[in-house]
Amino acid sequence: DQQVKQNSPSLSVQEGRISILNCDYTNSMFDYFLWYKKYPAEGPTFLISISSIKDKNEDGRFTVFLNKSAKHLSLHIVPSQPGDSAVYFCAASAQGAQKLVFGQGTRLTINP
Amino acid sequence: EPEVTQTPSHQVTQMGQEVILRCVPISNHLYFYWYRQILGQKVEFLVSFYNNEISEKSEIFDDQFSVERPDGSNFTLKIRSTKLEDSAMYFCASSGLAGGPPRETQYFGPGTRLLVL
Repeated sequence: DQQVKQNSPSLSVQEGRISILNCDYTNSMFDYFLWYKKYPAEGPTFLISISSIKDKNEDGRFTVFLNKSAKHLSLHIVPSQPGDSAVYFCAASAQGAQKLVFGQGTRLTINP
Repeated sequence: EPEVTQTPSHQVTQMGQEVILRCVPISNHLYFYWYRQILGQKVEFLVSFYNNEISEKSEIFDDQFSVERPDGSNFTLKIRSTKLEDSAMYFCASSGLAGGPPRETQYFGPGTRLLVL
């Protein structure tokens, strides 16, 4: 099941710079997208979401961009901080469905 | 801040044994979920539960699995006869306030690591 894909298993960014995490999806029925952050031995923590009626949503240092025609979304973190080092999951759901479909995750490392 | 809690944090069991994983969702949430993550794989949806019944389930959620909300606070996942391949991290999640928007963010618990020997 490859409906949601995060093609970069890992990303390394210098502290203070921008981190850009990418996610692609194939199911055109998806209309709600979320980003979660996960530390080892913890559950996914909600970061930010976006509905398909928007193309951008911002919350503090986190901004999510949605390109529906390309079936692509990205999470921008700026400025990146050491505490942002974690695995980031993209997830999607379709209208009328409750389940979230997750990508494989991208491990983000912020270097001092 | 309200959070989803899960017990136990770790469970080791023998193949063929029954296990019950417990969750306390965020109070006043209406939708409850179980997901699992096998080591090195994606987080996968198992089941959602609303108004005291299963509202959606995946093909993973076969007859070996059942869910229950035995009282006003707990939400449980039972695996009747565990298999080696049931070894995974199991996450409970909850969402949805009465009168809220139709699509609510799901909030996850810390997980129960299940190891079947």
